This record gives sequence, C-alpha cells and structure tokens, in this order.
Amino acid sequence: GENVEQHPSTLSVQEGDSAVIKCTYSDSASNYFPWYKQELGKRPQLIIDIRSNVGEKKDQRIAVTLNKTAKHFSLHITETQPEDSAVYFCAASITTGGYNKLIFGAGTRLAVHP
Amino acid sequence: ETGVTQSPTHLIKTRGQQVTLRCSSQSGHNTVSWYQQALGQGPQFIFQYYREEENGRGNFPPRFSGLQFPNYSSELNVNALELDDSALYLCASSSGYADTQYFGPGTRLTVL
Repeated sequence: GENVEQHPSTLSVQEGDSAVIKCTYSDSASNYFPWYKQELGKRPQLIIDIRSNVGEKKDQRIAVTLNKTAKHFSLHITETQPEDSAVYFCAASITTGGYNKLIFGAGTRLAVHP
Repeated sequence: ETGVTQSPTHLIKTRGQQVTLRCSSQSGHNTVSWYQQALGQGPQFIFQYYREEENGRGNFPPRFSGLQFPNYSSELNVNALELDDSALYLCASSSGYADTQYFGPGTRLTVL
C-alpha cells in the first residue's frame, strides 16, 4: 500500500544545532518529495522539494537528500533558530491514472530552544 | 499574485448535517486538491479537481463530494456529518495536476 513513515515524531534541539528528519516511502512510483512546515494554526508551507532524478538539493540552511534505492529521504536543517520551531511533514507524490496525490508522513514536532 | 484562500475559517455543525467548504485557487492554477487533517496527523488526500472534473479520489466515502468552477475555485461538500469528520480541511492548488501544491489556511470543522 501507499505509506510514508516519518521519524522522529518529536525533536528537541538547542539553537545553532542541526536537526535531521527522516522519511521512508513504500510506492516505488513516487517521483516527487516535498517538505512542508506547519506552524500552529497556520497552513502547511512548502519549504523545499526534490524530484526523483536528483539526489540532493540545498537552499540556505535547509537541505534534502533522496536515496531512491532505499526509498529514503531526509530533511537537514543547520544552524537552527527558534523560528524553525514547527511541525514538519514529508510527503511522497504519486501520479497515477491522470491525477496526483500527496501521501504525508505523520509529522515531526521540532522545538528549538534558545 | 494572490495565494490560496479558504472560507469559512471555522465551522461548527451537528451530526447528520451537511456542510460546504470553499477554496479559491492561486492565480494561474487550474487544479485543486482537498485534504483532511485530523488533529496530530498528516493531511490525507480526499480528491483532486482538474479543469472542472474530479480526476482522482482517495479513500473517502461518497458523502464527500466536490465541484470545481470555471474560475477554478472549488467546493467540498460533506453530507450526513459524523463526529469523526471533525478535522482541518485543507485545499491546495497547483498549475497542473502533477505540479507543486500550495496550501490554503484551512477550514476547521467541528462536528458535535
């Protein structure tokens, strides 16, 4: 079946440390992997994404890596800041039968302490 | 460029009632996808509308239905509300059915 597992469910770091969130997907047809940040009471906001023909992508303090063989992808945040505190969701995109859907992980609650 | 908007922000209904939620897509986007996000969970795909047609559906019963209008805005209708329908309902728009999805702020539905 279609499933995305996300770990850890909660992550607490000190300001300036790095944070890593890992996801595993089940459907080998998945070809696009976005990451969303959701602050309390707000919309999921796209922060970075990666397509299946790329192994790594970086945008300032945020990077994503993809291992298609192992069906793993990870989010790396360096030099964390208190404003990085939020729930982060990974997702795997499946395009089938003329439509596209995102399968989300259960989320990681990141707390960055000053 | 206007982002994705949704209305209303909050809604309280009783079991058995019907509800309509609305979504305006981002300018230039022709695809709207709807998701249900229960408390503490990731969003779950309900269905997708592309050029006014439902082109895909997740594991939700037929009492969840929708529409997309010529301006690409969309409605989600839920009939015979159940307590478990209490959730945040998110819509996301994209410039094509396989393109990056941008989310609206959601409608918080509470069923009593």
